[in-house]
Amino acid sequence: DAEITQSPRHKITETGRQVTLACHQTWNHNNMFWYRQDLGHGLRLIHYSYGVHDTNKGEVSDGYSVSRSNTEDLPLTLESAASSQTSVYFCASSELAGAHETQYFGPGTRLLVL
Amino acid sequence: AQSVTQPDIHITVSEGASLELRCNYSYGATPYLFWYVQSPGQGLQLLLKYFSGDTLVQGIKGFEAEFKRSQSSFNLRKPSVHWSDAAEYFCAVGERGAQKLVFGQGTRLTINP
Repeated sequence: DAEITQSPRHKITETGRQVTLACHQTWNHNNMFWYRQDLGHGLRLIHYSYGVHDTNKGEVSDGYSVSRSNTEDLPLTLESAASSQTSVYFCASSELAGAHETQYFGPGTRLLVL
Repeated sequence: AQSVTQPDIHITVSEGASLELRCNYSYGATPYLFWYVQSPGQGLQLLLKYFSGDTLVQGIKGFEAEFKRSQSSFNLRKPSVHWSDAAEYFCAVGERGAQKLVFGQGTRLTINP
């Protein structure tokens, strides 16, 4: 079955370190998204991509970057981790463009920045 | 900019009782509206969505939601909840012409046996 996976599922890091969270989908979806989930805020969009070599900033993109070198993967990099980036991170994908399209979510990565 | 408000942070209902989770949105035109469910330790799963047509939308697991333009609401309902419905529920709005979703803060549902 096609799926979307995230790794690692849990990560502890120190302030100032670079961290990369992986997201891999096997649906061949063009659109991929990264969200963070924090108590009281729901999910907030960090970055998104409509296809290979396309990336766009979301609502809370400061301190994060993404690159899209193939259809299947959209890694999220925290350039210099900060305690404010302690959160649960979700990757999602959708097949077609348009806000009515269903997004399919990965299981999440729980990140703790000490 | 669009926004979503879920007024109830936490709701507790008894198994077998009916359920209504509230969602209010702010958007200038007819929005795309979604309800997602998140079980503990899991990602989000789509329950149902509205983008046109009949304002009463049926979803998976026996859920339904009604789009009320006059009230800017998209409340989620279920006539009889099961213990397995315990989860966090998120309402989201999508802007026509764009791909991005804006999520509400979520409502955590607890089921009493």
